[in-house]
Amino acid sequence: DADVTQTPRNRITKTGKRIMLECSQTKGHDRMYWYRQDPGLGLRLIYYSFDVKDINKGEISDGYSVSRQAQAKFSLSLESAIPNQTALYFCATRRAGGPNNEQFFGPGTRLTVL
Amino acid sequence: RKEVEQDPGPFNVPEGATVAFNCTYSNSASQSFFWYRQDCRKEPKLLMSVYSSGNEDGRFTAQLNRASQYISLLIRDSKLSDSATYLCVVNRGAGNNRKLIWGLGTSLAVNP
Repeated sequence: DADVTQTPRNRITKTGKRIMLECSQTKGHDRMYWYRQDPGLGLRLIYYSFDVKDINKGEISDGYSVSRQAQAKFSLSLESAIPNQTALYFCATRRAGGPNNEQFFGPGTRLTVL
Repeated sequence: RKEVEQDPGPFNVPEGATVAFNCTYSNSASQSFFWYRQDCRKEPKLLMSVYSSGNEDGRFTAQLNRASQYISLLIRDSKLSDSATYLCVVNRGAGNNRKLIWGLGTSLAVNP
């Protein structure tokens, strides 16, 4: 079983719709992250959380919100989706003080906003 | 100028070739450095960390040059399975202010 899972894996939606992307992990890591990846722009951090109830904005948080409902779950919401939010979204986890500061990524969610 | 820059490639090499990628970073306060590998439409995965003394893992060698602010990745005896995008990642700051800066990646295609 995958250690970091994301649902849905693919989603097509329309402008103005509310969308939630879910991330779950079984690694027991305290830190969780949401990124988006776009051609030519690379991976950009949206939000991150060091523990339950700890939420921090990344470099491109506008238009997004997150919820850390439990240590194992971190969800990303688009309150009113717009076409330029079409991207590949990754959730990642990391253990504080872990070797190499390694981040473990989920398989990604491909979101298309029409 | 981007904080972390990589040649996007693509690098097309035959099996068995040796290929090297460089990555430059602009913030001299950067603390640690990594190479991640990303297969097409998949998630990034850590390939190796880059230590000041350089490090080697099988066919892969990573080196850091702090004076010139670049890191490199050398792949010897390339395999078809090495075809992927290689992401340079720089970690700056410390503690809770630590921040990962991701390069755009270098694409490698190893051909039979």
